[in-house]
Amino acid sequence: KNQVEQSPQSLIILEGKNCTLQCNYTVSPFSNLRWYKQDTGRGPVSLTIMTFSENTKSNGRYTATLDADTKQSSLHITASQLSDSASYICVVSGSWGKLQFGAGTQVVVTP
Amino acid sequence: NAGVTQTPKFRVLKTGQSMTLLCAQDMNHEYMYWYRQDPGMGLRLIHYSVGEGTTAKGEVPDGYNVSRLKKQNFLLGLESAAPSQTSVYFCASSSAPGRGTDTQYFGPGTRLTVL
Repeated sequence: KNQVEQSPQSLIILEGKNCTLQCNYTVSPFSNLRWYKQDTGRGPVSLTIMTFSENTKSNGRYTATLDADTKQSSLHITASQLSDSASYICVVSGSWGKLQFGAGTQVVVTP
Repeated sequence: NAGVTQTPKFRVLKTGQSMTLLCAQDMNHEYMYWYRQDPGMGLRLIHYSVGEGTTAKGEVPDGYNVSRLKKQNFLLGLESAAPSQTSVYFCASSSAPGRGTDTQYFGPGTRLTVL
């Protein structure tokens, strides 16, 4: 069973609107949690990295939150743009740095 | 500074054929990784290297071999390709394991189809 579960699997959003993606994990011990953006046909690119002690981290219009107690994270996209259309991958780092990847949430932003 | 590059970008093989995927990085990173990405699944680690001359097995190593003869290059080999190896392969590099705020930098991927 995947130790990193993301929801929804996909979503469609109108340009200019906000959306929130969810990530639940069971990885233990926990080192850090990352969100990556993967454009179609490209490799993943890091958006945010949060360690155990961080609750929120922003990168422009992207804001990630982390609740290490409930093992949940979210990625909020504000005022979406067409260029935000991509797959967003939650990645959790456990012991020695081993990464566990979620399957991703496919976001489509329409005009 | 090209970052992480992969060759080839696309390849079609017949069952039983062999091939080598090349990954190169110009960031002087010690650590390099090979992943495969399949629909509906997260990236899975095939093999990794913690430095020149070293390699180690990841989560799904069967059917693959790797070599790290030079620090900047990491080769992934398929000795006898099988349809189950149809996938998109990503190489990544980092300066240290995934602790702290270390980031893995990914290449653009190689789309491999095995008929």
